[in-house]
Amino acid sequence: EAQVTQNPRYLITVTGKKLTVTCSQNMNHEYMSWYRQDPGLGLRQIYYSMNVEVTDKGDVPEGYKVSRKEKRNFPLILESPSPNQTSLYFCASSSLAGESYNEQFFGPGTRLTVL
Amino acid sequence: GDSVTQMEGPVTLSEEAFLTINCTYTATGYPSLFWYVQYPGEGLQLLLKATKADDKGSNKGFEATYRKETTSFHLEKGSVQVSDSAVYFCALSIPYNNNDMRFGAGTRLTVKP
Repeated sequence: EAQVTQNPRYLITVTGKKLTVTCSQNMNHEYMSWYRQDPGLGLRQIYYSMNVEVTDKGDVPEGYKVSRKEKRNFPLILESPSPNQTSLYFCASSSLAGESYNEQFFGPGTRLTVL
Repeated sequence: GDSVTQMEGPVTLSEEAFLTINCTYTATGYPSLFWYVQYPGEGLQLLLKATKADDKGSNKGFEATYRKETTSFHLEKGSVQVSDSAVYFCALSIPYNNNDMRFGAGTRLTVKP
């Protein structure tokens, strides 16, 4: 089954304790992205990657890091989480070949609470 | 910059009522337009799309028409069901622009029996 998976689905942590949220896709997509979803703000892009070893900042990258060492994986790293990073996080992927309309496939989400 | 504005919710309807969720966009290029749906506890799923002016996207009884003259992509359904209760996001993407996708704030729909 074609899918994007994220782990963990729920996480409660404390300020300053480094954490990683994993994202993996099995569709051989070149493009992967991280978003955060906050009430009234919709989805805002944190980082994206056009291919292996190619990453770039989105609209709200402060406090986050990413890496793309393999095509299927795109982990999101919070080196020193703060309460304002409490949010619902989504990973997404899409193909860059063929169609031009860029449909993105989303993971189930990770709800993060930073105390 | 490119952006999407959609009507604020929440929207509460009775079963079999007519649904409209308004969406307008601002874009410098020629965007593709999407509606995504998010059911409780799940990620976003593509509901329908339109890639050029006057295209109509449709799926599961939902429709939206790409109107370039009014820069709109309103979502409609003639008869909603309780199972349609979800959050709906309008989005745009500029082809060949780093796959950039812009989302509206989302509209929560609740359908009551």
